[in-house]
Amino acid sequence: GAVVSQHPSWVICKSGTSVKIECRSLDFQATTMFWYRQFPKQSLMLMATSNEGSKATYEQGVEKDKFLINHASLTLSTLTVTSAHPEDSSFYICSAADRETQYFGPGTRLLVL
Amino acid sequence: AQSVSQHNHHVILSEAASLELGCNYSYGGTVNLFWYVQYPGQHLQLLLKYFSGDPLVKGIKGFEAEFIKSKFSFNLRKPSVQWSDTAEYFCAVNAGGGNKLTFGTGTQLKVEL
Repeated sequence: GAVVSQHPSWVICKSGTSVKIECRSLDFQATTMFWYRQFPKQSLMLMATSNEGSKATYEQGVEKDKFLINHASLTLSTLTVTSAHPEDSSFYICSAADRETQYFGPGTRLLVL
Repeated sequence: AQSVSQHNHHVILSEAASLELGCNYSYGGTVNLFWYVQYPGQHLQLLLKYFSGDPLVKGIKGFEAEFIKSKFSFNLRKPSVQWSDTAEYFCAVNAGGGNKLTFGTGTQLKVEL
């Protein structure tokens, strides 16, 4: 149980375009979903917390207009990187939480050319 | 704000050696504690967690961790490591309720044959 999927697993896009990443909890309903960035050989950096039906809460320094989060249902959250630039290239990871534990997706590798 | 410290950034062990990875956190109130593992090319997986009760918790794959409140520590242990334990290990803390996590910087474990 507690399986979280992400799609796509990797994406290459041109600078200035937008990219949407989906996060789904496959076998449970997630009260909250989280979005992280992971830089090479570093820990996970929390970007935002997403609750179904409400606006996401962004961490300090994360641009909410740049990283749009939609949490349409208890099993789906999306992260859209708008007007992507090369510095947005990274590994994006989502997690879905039941009441007390986060379960992580496999991540999405984004490369902006 | 709470912080999580993992003092060992890189650990190299031979198979069958014993493992202990340190994790310390800074938060004076009630905490939930987690260890996650990230095998090469894979997503974060939950190894074990502590919420309350017996401070010695057992997780998957023979791992255990001990919560020592007086030392603000939650060290991960395994009596005899295997080559397949080569991975990155992250300690994470949820403080003050909810399910938001603060991660340590991770420990890269390499087990040699």
